[in-house]
Amino acid sequence: AQSVTQLDSQVPVFEEAPVELRCNYSSSVSVYLFWYVQYPNQGLQLLLKYLSGSTLVKGINGFEAEFNKSQTSFHLRKPSVHISDTAEYFCAAERAAGNKLTFGGGTRVLVKP
Amino acid sequence: DTAVSQTPKYLVTQMGNDKSIKCEQNLGHDTMYWYKQDSKKFLKIMFSYNNKELIINETVPNRFSPKSPDKAHLNLHINSLELGDSAVYFCASSQDLGVAGGEQYFGPGTRLTVT
Repeated sequence: AQSVTQLDSQVPVFEEAPVELRCNYSSSVSVYLFWYVQYPNQGLQLLLKYLSGSTLVKGINGFEAEFNKSQTSFHLRKPSVHISDTAEYFCAAERAAGNKLTFGGGTRVLVKP
Repeated sequence: DTAVSQTPKYLVTQMGNDKSIKCEQNLGHDTMYWYKQDSKKFLKIMFSYNNKELIINETVPNRFSPKSPDKAHLNLHINSLELGDSAVYFCASSQDLGVAGGEQYFGPGTRLTVT
């Protein structure tokens, strides 16, 4: 079985400051990793994903994530946040083909002016 | 055009009632899903269908019955609603069950409140 842990339930950050959201996964097999964002009262939207290859993945809206196999982590970063980045962020993992996503508990990012 | 749509957006009902949530996708995807997001934002898969066939059923009570009349629609019917069913239900779709790392596209959610 696999599990996904998001270490921070809430991250307050000032506008234009950097932010890092931590995600760790556990799985005995290779996994594909995703970050999704949920803006208030909306569905989830894919930010980025890691399948293979370069461990640094760039996504939409200036976000990037780094896959670290030895630490089983997939942390999400943005060098300078905007008010509009206020949202819930979900890390997710998928074992091979099968499309069954396991989500972490989410991290709420609150960007303050 | 809305890629994945759900109706209704809000649903308030009493315990013991039966209700349905509808989902439609216009992306031409083969696979559709239902997820439940509880009050703590925890998101868990309930079902997935591929070309109208049930693929994943995550130990959901049999009061929940998904129905897929065609591959563009996946409806969720809930019998004998309980207080614990209150949640936001998300429908999603993806291109193909066998495609590694395929993106799932989510609908806007249906907020179900059972009183």
